[in-house]
Amino acid sequence: QQPVQSPQAVILREGEDAVINCSSSKALYSVHWYRQKHGEAPVFLMILLKGGEQKGHDKISASFNEKKQQSSLYLTASQLSYSGTYFCGTGLNAGGTSYGKLTFGQGTILTVHP
Amino acid sequence: DTAVSQTPKYLVTQMGNDKSIKCEQNLGHDTMYWYKQDSKKFLKIMFSYNNKELIINETVPNRFSPKSPDKAHLNLHINSLELGDSAVYFCASSQDPGVFGGYTFGSGTRLTVV
Repeated sequence: QQPVQSPQAVILREGEDAVINCSSSKALYSVHWYRQKHGEAPVFLMILLKGGEQKGHDKISASFNEKKQQSSLYLTASQLSYSGTYFCGTGLNAGGTSYGKLTFGQGTILTVHP
Repeated sequence: DTAVSQTPKYLVTQMGNDKSIKCEQNLGHDTMYWYKQDSKKFLKIMFSYNNKELIINETVPNRFSPKSPDKAHLNLHINSLELGDSAVYFCASSQDPGVFGGYTFGSGTRLTVV
């Protein structure tokens, strides 16, 4: 089951903040976040594991609420380099038929203007 | 030194042909994947190998056959290509299967079937 991301697109000016949400209908073990620039490969940003945590580096952070089966990615004081498509990837459990399987959301297009 | 390298980067071929895409990683990771990204940017897992053993085999036409000669290589062979196979195919690797660590993606192979 594919996680659902919102919003589908965000347009910002440099310095503004954004939040991207990722929701699943199933209990999650982990959430990954990736950024993909046009014509390039997705690049890993961070992973959050079951246990309900928050992570961050630089001005990009994320939270994981396993009860709500949701994760949010926070981008603060956005820079031009933040532009791209952001994907969340969800892992359902650590074993069974879902072993090793990461299912990606449909993506959120973030555009940062000067 | 490229971490995950795919060849070729572009592939244009006629319907009915057979083609292969090669992938190699020098990260020492145990798990490798093939993902398909369609024109709407949806990233869908196709196959995953852990230490040369197939662990994920999604509902993919049997015209697609992966092969992992060793844990650093994962190739994808496609028989009888169809128009609908046109997409970007990404190889990726991770230290542990799926949910525990981030994926490192190759630069992608853009396959166009005419």
